Amino acid sequence: AQTVTQSQPEMSVQEAETVTLSCTYDTSESDYYLFWYKQPPSRQMILVIRQEAYKQQNATESRFSVNFQKAAKSFSLKISDSQLGDAAMYFCAYRSAETSGSRLTFGEGTQLTVNP
Amino acid sequence: NAGVTQTPKFQVLKTGQSMTLQCAQDMNHEYMSWYRQDPGMGLRLIHYSVGAGITDQGEVPNGYNVSRSTTEDFPLRLLSAAPSQTSVYFCASSYIIGRNGYTFGSGTRLTVV
Repeated sequence: AQTVTQSQPEMSVQEAETVTLSCTYDTSESDYYLFWYKQPPSRQMILVIRQEAYKQQNATESRFSVNFQKAAKSFSLKISDSQLGDAAMYFCAYRSAETSGSRLTFGEGTQLTVNP
Repeated sequence: NAGVTQTPKFQVLKTGQSMTLQCAQDMNHEYMSWYRQDPGMGLRLIHYSVGAGITDQGEVPNGYNVSRSTTEDFPLRLLSAAPSQTSVYFCASSYIIGRNGYTFGSGTRLTVV
């Protein structure tokens, strides 16, 4: 079974600075998808960014980018020019592409605080 | 486009009571699932369905029941509520091929006293 680990329960960053959230995963599969979700205090789960394992290029969405290291099974999220609205719980998640109808497996989450 | 509609948003139950959390999606997603979120444990899969009439257990199915009679609806039943079921519950849906991730409902905060 696949596992996802987020080793940083809490992180903090100054407004306008850059922060990187770590995520590692364990799988024997070669084709899969990785996701970062954001959960603000409203509790809503919001998809931030997605990476397809067969793509070598790191995904980027505005101020959010990932560092995907397939051999190391690492998938970190970089937030540039941090804003107060970025304060949230962030979840890393894995989903198999080799099995249809596969589940999304989540890490434990990282609580990000943005200081003004 | 409503996405995933989950009700209620908040609920307090007494130990031993039963209830149903409702989930409906209007995106014609084949895959639907229920997760519970507890502090420090991320989201854990309770039950899931890959289509109408097909359901299966996730990591933490005990004490919960599901059915999928239509593509749109996937209710979660708590058979006899226990304090250990105090949690935040999320319904989520997606296409059967997972590249787009899940669309989540807004969550239900359940307290069992």
